Order: sequence, then C-alpha cells, then structure tokens
Amino acid sequence: EVQLVESGGDLVQPGGSLKLSCAASGFTFSDSAIHWVRQASGIGLEWLGRVRTKADDYATAYAASVKGRFTVSRDDSNNVAYLQMNSLKTEDTAVYYCTGLGNPFKYWGRGTLVTVSS
Amino acid sequence: DIVVTQSPDSLSVSLGERATVNCKSNQSVLYSYNNKNYLAWYQHKPGQPPKLLIYWASTRESGVPDRFSGSGSGTDFTLTISSLQAEDVAIYYCQQYYLTPQTFGQGTKVEI
Repeated sequence: EVQLVESGGDLVQPGGSLKLSCAASGFTFSDSAIHWVRQASGIGLEWLGRVRTKADDYATAYAASVKGRFTVSRDDSNNVAYLQMNSLKTEDTAVYYCTGLGNPFKYWGRGTLVTVSS
Repeated sequence: DIVVTQSPDSLSVSLGERATVNCKSNQSVLYSYNNKNYLAWYQHKPGQPPKLLIYWASTRESGVPDRFSGSGSGTDFTLTISSLQAEDVAIYYCQQYYLTPQTFGQGTKVEI
C-alpha cells in the first residue's frame, strides 16, 4: 500500500524556519518525483514545489510565492522528502501535503499543520 | 504561469440533481503530440487530503463513481456530477499539469 506521511508541522514565529518531512512507503521512492502542496484556511490548493529523481539530477522547481524561501530535497536512502521553509510569514499558515508517484496527484499524505504567528 | 479560473465559486444543488463546475485556463493545456489535455479534477473534504477524480480531462480515476464525468478540451473544461449525493458535498478543484508551476483553480464549493 502506498503511504505518504508528513510530519514536522508546528507553531512558529514570523521570520522563523521549519523543516517538514514526508516519509514514503509502498512504492519505489527513488523513481518518483515528490511534490508539496498546501491549503491555507479558506484558501484553495497551492502547488509549492517539487524535486525530481536522481535520473533527472534531482531537479527542483518552485512557485513564485515561495521561491528563495522554501527548498525541497530528498533522501532516497531513507525514503524521505523534505520541505525546508525559511523566512516564514503569517500567510504561510496552512496544512502542507506531500504527493508522489505520478502526475496528476493520486497519492497524498494526510498533511501537517504549520501555524505562523507571534 | 497558466492561470486557471473556476466558476461558480459555490453551488447549491438538490439531492439527485445535476451539478456542473466550469474550469477555464488562460492558455491551452492540450498537448498536440499526444492529443491529451493535461487537466485534472479533485474533490476535497475537510480533514482529508484531496482525492483525484478525473485526469486527462475526462478519464475517471479507478473507484470513482460514474456519476462524476469530465469534459472539454484546450482551455475550457467541465466537471459534472450527474445525480448529487450527500457524500459529494465538498470543494472541487481543477488543476493543470501541462506546465510548471502546476496551478489549481480557486475551488468550487458544492453544497446541498
């Protein structure tokens, strides 16, 4: 069974940093690009970024709203992807999801809540 | 970036009636090489991750009830729920995956 489990969500102050993890199982993780998507309360889904596979040189791409602040990465040896978030703003408050194993997004984690507030 | 716009923002439909959600992109998401539209539809309920309903604009995901259907090509697309059930109350999103960044519509809330 394909499983994606996000963790690392927390309450953080504006300007702070947080690193989310996405633990994967049930498929060949190293063969799959991993994407991050968020949903802020009352706002729709927003694609944030993705990291491709080793075959594609671990190429990354980002939404304009997070480029330069967020970094996606992966550790194929442990089947984990990461979303490093710096210079957090109140508007980054959201549930963060990771998705993988195909495009469009059939498999999702249950999400982890990030709250940016003083 | 491709901008994807849905209409309406919300929709109230009686049980058993048809619900129609529209999605428009500001550039074509039809790839002429394979004649596929890179457009998907998701259902999102509170406390759950989004669920993929339709991909390639009109291909129903395995296990999705056949009351859900997708249509359209190029820049204009439609999600139809032929006979609304209570469990279909949710927010529905279209998404283009033709170009990076992939972009979602703003969502359509379907209520009874």
